[in-house]
Amino acid sequence: DGGITQSPKYLFRKEGQNVTLSCEQNLNHDAMYWYRQDPGQGLRLIYYSQIVNDFQKGDIAEGYSVSREKKESFPLTVTSAQKNPTAFYLCASSMGLAGVTGELFFGEGSRLTVL
Amino acid sequence: AQSVSQHNHHVILSEAASLELGCNYSYGGTVNLFWYVQYPGQHLQLLLKYFSGDPLVKGIKGFEAEFIKSKFSFNLRKPSVQWSDTAEYFCAVTPLGYQKVTFGTGTKLQVIP
Repeated sequence: DGGITQSPKYLFRKEGQNVTLSCEQNLNHDAMYWYRQDPGQGLRLIYYSQIVNDFQKGDIAEGYSVSREKKESFPLTVTSAQKNPTAFYLCASSMGLAGVTGELFFGEGSRLTVL
Repeated sequence: AQSVSQHNHHVILSEAASLELGCNYSYGGTVNLFWYVQYPGQHLQLLLKYFSGDPLVKGIKGFEAEFIKSKFSFNLRKPSVQWSDTAEYFCAVTPLGYQKVTFGTGTKLQVIP
């Protein structure tokens, strides 16, 4: 089945620890995205990548880092600098520019809880 | 930068009632508009999209949306909701030719049988 796989689904970490969330897609999509979803705030864009080895900051990139070494993979690291990391994180992909091709395909999300 | 407003945060309807969810965006140029839906326990999925042409677009499961350029609006409608429509609905916008997709804050719809 083609799709986006995020892991882990649930993650608990202590304050001050960096954590990395995995996102893998087998849709052969060029573009990938990371969003953060908080109750009442919708989805906010953290980082996005149009092609391998290239990525741009979204609206709330502070305290996060990403890499795009392979087309199918776009891991997100939540660093200790992120002041409020507890959230639901969504990875998405699109065939080309979302503004041209339109549809984003989403993974099932990773829920991070920092204790 | 573009932004999206969804004024209804939580809507409760009885089955068979009509639905209209508001969405307004701010951006001066040409945009592509979307509605996504997140059913309980499921991943976000596209409900419908508008790129150009007929401003009334039809999506899956009987949903439709109307783009009114003069009002910067893209409201979602359904004539008769079902219990299975209980979900969270997100409006989204992206400027034509760009990659960044901006989402609204979402509207939780609860349909009572």
